[in-house]
Amino acid sequence: RKEVEQDPGPFNVPEGATVAFNCTYSNSASQSFFWYRQDCRKEPKLLMSVYSSGNEDGRFTAQLNRASQYISLLIRDSKLSDSATYLCVVNEEGFQKLVFGTGTRLLVSP
Amino acid sequence: EAGVTQFPSHSVIEKGQTVTLRCDPISGHDNLYWYRRVMGKEIKFLLHFVKESKQDESGMPNNRFLAERTGGTYSTLKVQPAELEDSGVYFCASSHARTLGRGYTFGSGTRLTVV
Repeated sequence: RKEVEQDPGPFNVPEGATVAFNCTYSNSASQSFFWYRQDCRKEPKLLMSVYSSGNEDGRFTAQLNRASQYISLLIRDSKLSDSATYLCVVNEEGFQKLVFGTGTRLLVSP
Repeated sequence: EAGVTQFPSHSVIEKGQTVTLRCDPISGHDNLYWYRRVMGKEIKFLLHFVKESKQDESGMPNNRFLAERTGGTYSTLKVQPAELEDSGVYFCASSHARTLGRGYTFGSGTRLTVV
């Protein structure tokens, strides 16, 4: 079983749509949670950290459910430029290494 | 500030040859990490330096891989001898001690193809 599981997609949505991605993690000792964005043939870039209380950054909302070991990302009013692969990433307290999911591919069409 | 720089951006080598990848972290970042993504798989951790010391090398696949960070500045990752399964994208990342747990800045990666 993978440590971080994501639906690989692709999710095909029209501009303006709302789309949600989910991710589950297996290590209950995980303490930090992130969503990264990766464009084709580029490096991963931090999109946002995820906090237990939930957090929002513009059109993006992230939620964490520690009891279910579940993380979500909601994108509202999708733009063409949101097309990318979204990586769910966790790390365990006291350890520096990040554990990545395989990513969920989003395609936003006109 | 300059970002994490990796060199070369692409490398094509024959099986059995040696390749050395280089990473220059963001200035002042004591933490330096190597990750790689092989085709169809998730990005996986290789190792972590704090300054010149290896803090965690649990992800290094085998002894054909050697990472160094002399002087605590740039780092090299040598693969010797390269095998076909070493093909993939090798990413370097760095972070400052004060931003632990808040994500890292990645370099643009080195795409390694072993033929």
